Amino acid sequence: AQSVTQLGSHVSVSEGALVLLRCNYSSSVPPYLFWYVQYPNQGLQLLLKYTSAATLVKGINGFEAEFKKSETSFHLTKPSAHMSDAAEYFCAVSHSGAGSYQLTFGKGTKLSVIP
Amino acid sequence: KAGVTQTPRYLIKTRGQQVTLSCSPISGHRSVSWYQQTPGQGLQFLFEYFSETQRNKGNFPGRFSGRQFSNSRSEMNVSTLELGDSALYLCASSPDRGGETQYFGPGTRLLVL
Repeated sequence: AQSVTQLGSHVSVSEGALVLLRCNYSSSVPPYLFWYVQYPNQGLQLLLKYTSAATLVKGINGFEAEFKKSETSFHLTKPSAHMSDAAEYFCAVSHSGAGSYQLTFGKGTKLSVIP
Repeated sequence: KAGVTQTPRYLIKTRGQQVTLSCSPISGHRSVSWYQQTPGQGLQFLFEYFSETQRNKGNFPGRFSGRQFSNSRSEMNVSTLELGDSALYLCASSPDRGGETQYFGPGTRLLVL
């Protein structure tokens, strides 16, 4: 079974500091990997996705993630945190089952940005 | 293009009742998936529909069901509600088979009293 592990349920950074949110996955085949962000009382918004075209993936709002097969990791980074980045972030792997794809999510990491 | 829409946004029900939630996918998207989000269990896959057929189902009891119409709109139904069904129910659409990106709606927050 596919699984996603997000290290750290809560991460706090100072405004302007580096953001690093960790994600490790288990997959027996090359995966599709995603990062989504959720603001309070809202749905999930796609930040970026990995589909094997390039190992370094750039997303919206200055976020990027690097796929490292040897480490089965897909960590999310942003060079400089902004107050508006405070939200919950979910890493997900897409895998096939019974003829269709489904997302398996990590438990999420809540990011706080300290002014 | 308009995004995924879900109605209603908020719902309060009592134990034993049933509820129907609605989802309209992005225009042209034929696959609709449903997820349940709770603080304890996180985000869990419920089921996926494509061309009015359920193609995949998560590990939920039979009280949870769904359907998809010819215009790709989907509904999910929960019968005999339990307190533990209180959750945010998220609908996502994708162009075809997923693996493609799934785009999420704002969710329906269900509270069961």
